[in-house]
Amino acid sequence: EPEVTQTPSHQVTQMGQEVILRCVPISNHLYFYWYRQILGQKVEFLVSFYNNEISEKSEIFDDQFSVERPDGSNFTLKIRSTKLEDSAMYFCASSTEGGDYEQYFGPGTRLTVT
Amino acid sequence: GQQLNQSPQSMFIQEGEDVSMNCTSSSIFNTWLWYKQDPGEGPVLLIALYKAGELTSNGRLTAQFGITRKDSFLNISASIPSDVGIYFCAGFPSGSARQLTFGSGTQLTVLP
Repeated sequence: EPEVTQTPSHQVTQMGQEVILRCVPISNHLYFYWYRQILGQKVEFLVSFYNNEISEKSEIFDDQFSVERPDGSNFTLKIRSTKLEDSAMYFCASSTEGGDYEQYFGPGTRLTVT
Repeated sequence: GQQLNQSPQSMFIQEGEDVSMNCTSSSIFNTWLWYKQDPGEGPVLLIALYKAGELTSNGRLTAQFGITRKDSFLNISASIPSDVGIYFCAGFPSGSARQLTFGSGTQLTVLP
């Protein structure tokens, strides 16, 4: 069964450093998403991406964040200058283009900013 | 932003019992999705609901899309130990087709 994969599973970085989180969405999906989950809290939407551009983004997704589809399989989230409060699980998800809005999530990357 | 109120926050049940949890919103949602999350893992999609009044089953799980489009419930029948986890409702508020809003989750513990 096809699934979303994410790397790394755990990333530790120092405050102020740049991090890139990587995702390989399900191969025939055309919508891609990033969500985050701070420990013990609910999952929060960050951004959706379609046709090589951002389609929706939340207030959390400020200028420190960017997304990219660098090739035909990868989808990345970059945080330019990490802050302590960026520590969270980051989930990538993908869905098809059609009326089926079901989003399938990857296993997540745990980001720890020290 | 849109808020989903999910209840109960946690449940402790005996193996074999049935479970019910629900999700409500003050505004209309176009789609309801129910996910299960195990510790350290990503949410796994259980059931998707698209029409008001729709009742859908997936094995021992049954979910319904409320007719007011402001609520949904999930039932689990004959619970087993592997049902342990956090169950999240999620949906697309009116005006968004891709930005999932999640509830705060129901932590389910199944006692042997």
